[in-house]
Amino acid sequence: DAGVIQSPRHEVTEMGQEVTLRCKPISGHNSLFWYRQTMMRGLELLIYFNNNVPIDDSGMPEDRFSAKMPNASFSTLKIQPSEPRDSAVYFCASSWTGASEKLFFGSGTQLSVL
Amino acid sequence: ILNVEQSPQSLHVQEGDSTNFTCSFPSSNFYALHWYRWETAKSPEALFVMTLNGDEKKKGRISATLNTKEGYSYLYIKGSQPEDSATYLCAFGVSNDMRFGAGTRLTVKP
Repeated sequence: DAGVIQSPRHEVTEMGQEVTLRCKPISGHNSLFWYRQTMMRGLELLIYFNNNVPIDDSGMPEDRFSAKMPNASFSTLKIQPSEPRDSAVYFCASSWTGASEKLFFGSGTQLSVL
Repeated sequence: ILNVEQSPQSLHVQEGDSTNFTCSFPSSNFYALHWYRWETAKSPEALFVMTLNGDEKKKGRISATLNTKEGYSYLYIKGSQPEDSATYLCAFGVSNDMRFGAGTRLTVKP
C-alpha cells in the first residue's frame, strides 16, 4: 500500500481564495482524521470521520472550514475564504476503528495564505 | 476537552546519555495511549500503543510504561544517538478520538 496520500504538498494562495486539501486514506482503514500543525497549538485535531461519517468536528476553527468524505477512499478539507492565520501544515491520518489502532499519517500539506 | 500534557517541552542530551520524558492524560475514560516519533520534514510515525495499566512496551533502545490510574506514561531512550533526534508525541484516545500533546523535542548532540 502507498500509505496515506495527501495533495497538494504545498499550496500558496492569496487571502480570500478557496483552498481545497485532499486525502486518500489507506485502503481498508475506516477512520480518517484531519489535523493542523501550528507553532502555538502543536498538532490540533480538526475533525474525524468513522465509516465516512463525521463524528466530531468540534475542532474545526470556524465556519470557513468544512470537510467531506464522500466515500471510503477520499476526503477533502476546504477553507473558504482563506485567511493568513490559516497558514499551517495540515495532516491527514487514517486507521482502523478504535482508540487502540495506531494512526498512519500522510506527508502533510504546507499551506501559505498571503 | 482532552488535555494531554507533555514534559519537558525540549531536551538536549549528549550522545550516549539515557533520557526520559512524560505524558500526562486524564485518568478517567481511558482507552489507549499512543507514542509517536516525528522527525523534521517527515510525518509522525507510531512507536507504541498501550491500553492496559502497567503496560510496558519496548522497541530497541526505546521503551514506554503506562499508569492509567494516575494518568501518566513515560518514554525512555537508552544510550541516545543523534538519529534519535525528533519530536516525541503522545496521544490519548477516548473511543476513536485521538488528541495529541504538544510533544517533547529531543536533540542528541554527537
